[in-house]
Amino acid sequence: GAGVSQSPRYKVAKRGQDVALRCDPISGHVSLFWYQQALGQGPEFLTYFQNEAQLDKSGLPSDRFFAERPEGSVSTLKIQRTQQEDSAVYLCASSLGGARTDTQYFGPGTRLTVL
Amino acid sequence: KQEVTQIPAALSVPEGENLVLNCSFTDSAIYNLQWFRQDPGKGLTSLLLIQSSQREQTSGRLNASLDKSSGRSTLYIAASQPGDSATYLCAVMDSSYKLIFGSGTRLLVRP
Repeated sequence: GAGVSQSPRYKVAKRGQDVALRCDPISGHVSLFWYQQALGQGPEFLTYFQNEAQLDKSGLPSDRFFAERPEGSVSTLKIQRTQQEDSAVYLCASSLGGARTDTQYFGPGTRLTVL
Repeated sequence: KQEVTQIPAALSVPEGENLVLNCSFTDSAIYNLQWFRQDPGKGLTSLLLIQSSQREQTSGRLNASLDKSSGRSTLYIAASQPGDSATYLCAVMDSSYKLIFGSGTRLLVRP
């Protein structure tokens, strides 16, 4: 595809349920990022992959959050035992290389609502 | 800790006006600064990226400037149009690979 895609676009979960959010980066992009965007705020960094290696997970808010990218392409962000405060838009971005000068291209996001 | 602030939080202008959006950051040790546009229910679209060694970038009616020493950037939009209505986000990249975002400026351009 031409851009970063994410699925599902919308997810409603009952408190305590586990959810899995998928990100398909631009083909050939080495770097992949996950961000969390609360309503009315800017995105906040969650985690960063270079190929299959998770180089930074300092932004993950708790051990209920887990991300993987096993083959260096598609990534999944998993949230266990969801809480209401997890409600947000989860954005995925990819960039061509590992350089800080590379532009990050964002997907449309997954809007998670926890009831 | 790097903090990014955007002023104003919201702006409403009549079509045709030139306007300036402001972004400030607390730590001048940045690699680059990016301006993004976000439409409701959609992801972020990169508008302009300014490397730390650059002072400005231009694309069409958009011009972004960067003053690292004072920790400021401005996004200038010339001859605004209703289609420019969106949220504009400023983000800096520090020594890590993270983008650190401001809270955005919600722009409404009235016909």
